[in-house]
Amino acid sequence: DTEVTQTPKHLVMGMTNKKSLKCEQHMGHRAMYWYKQKAKKPPELMFVYSYEKLSINESVPSRFSPECPNSSLLNLHLHALQPEDSALYLCASSQVGLRGTPTANEQFFGPGTRLTVL
Amino acid sequence: SQQGEEDPQALSIQEGENATMNCSYKTSINNLQWYRQNSGRGLVHLILIRSNEREKHSGRLRVTLDTSKKSSSLLITASRAADTASYFCATARISGSNYKLTFGKGTLLTVNP
Repeated sequence: DTEVTQTPKHLVMGMTNKKSLKCEQHMGHRAMYWYKQKAKKPPELMFVYSYEKLSINESVPSRFSPECPNSSLLNLHLHALQPEDSALYLCASSQVGLRGTPTANEQFFGPGTRLTVL
Repeated sequence: SQQGEEDPQALSIQEGENATMNCSYKTSINNLQWYRQNSGRGLVHLILIRSNEREKHSGRLRVTLDTSKKSSSLLITASRAADTASYFCATARISGSNYKLTFGKGTLLTVNP
């Protein structure tokens, strides 16, 4: 199975809502990523998890809260978002080397969640 | 800041023609990767070229890397309408015990039947 799945495909939420985005992969990848992509722009890295631990936070506002409950799942909890947070949120996964050994392998992306904040 | 900058921003060609996209970057890299994205969908990895490689082929794709000029090119030969998509270069740089991909602005390729 070489697929990364994301749910939901579309999400509309108000600024006071709490919602979660989910990502799942069964490729045995131990690195997982969240990206944000605005229309006609490239993806921008938000978070990196390595061996289920947060290893990179690209100064993302605290209204975005990532969680990696196990090696196959990655969540992004959303709370008190702003209309400018409307975007395509992409999840990706990749292999890692031995613990502490950096690698630079290809990333496998999910189809994304299209988020609209009203 | 954007690590990769692609040009052209948009390219329109006829089916059967070749398409060439270029990417420039600013700092040292571990490797450079090319991805394709169909409209509003996830990205698909196309090819990876390491910093010690100069050229790589995969099917109809040919990638070159010139680390002295900090630039790369992606050539798609004998293009098809199904190749219509946005193409992004992404540079991989080590960050602690991980690496980070930084994407360029992308080239929107339209292949007309």
